[in-house]
Amino acid sequence: QVQLQESGPGLVKPSQTLSLTCTVSGGSISSGGYYWSWIRQHPGKGLEWIGYIYYSGTTSYNPSLKSRVTISVDTSKNQFSLKLRSVTAADTAVYYCARETWIQRGNGVDVWGQGTTVTVSS
Amino acid sequence: EIVLTQSPGTLSLSPGERATLSCRASQSVSSSYLAWYQQKPGQAPRLLIYGASSRATGIPDRFSGSGSGTDFTLTISRLEPEDFAVYHCQQYVSLPRTFGQGTKLEIK
Repeated sequence: QVQLQESGPGLVKPSQTLSLTCTVSGGSISSGGYYWSWIRQHPGKGLEWIGYIYYSGTTSYNPSLKSRVTISVDTSKNQFSLKLRSVTAADTAVYYCARETWIQRGNGVDVWGQGTTVTVSS
Repeated sequence: EIVLTQSPGTLSLSPGERATLSCRASQSVSSSYLAWYQQKPGQAPRLLIYGASSRATGIPDRFSGSGSGTDFTLTISRLEPEDFAVYHCQQYVSLPRTFGQGTKLEIK
């Protein structure tokens, strides 16, 4: 079955750019019907949707982060990526990549990566 | 954006009891595009219910979802020790996707 794995630095300095990559295995990122998502969770808090991308490159972002976020896809590598610019301590969180499925109807976020902790600190 | 409010914040029950968790939306979640997730400490969330009432693959039938419009419920008919966790609801009918703040189900 499809598995997702996040990778990237666990420590980022304030004002710099947080960059994470999600590698998709067990399936093709180019298969239709899936939105490849980034979701984060601040320590001890609930889940926050950052945005998603379709394999064609169509994106949607959370308005609260839109000015700082870019999500991109590399179908040749079966990966999608997150860039979050001008980070502050408030961006310290566990970042999950995930798959939102729409096959015939909406099926929710049915596949999640294990999550990666990113700390913003000098 | 659709705001989801979960109640209670914490629910203390014993194994074998019935759990009822609520998720209320600030506006109608059309087509019942409402999901429930279970999250255990140090783990990623796991999809339990989608479409308000459809169980995800491999989810035991003691978990059930119901509701429509703005009021949704997750019921665990008979709690097993492994069910004590945090539960999140999410709407995926509109952008941005939003989650509730979570309900912690703890052992009494």
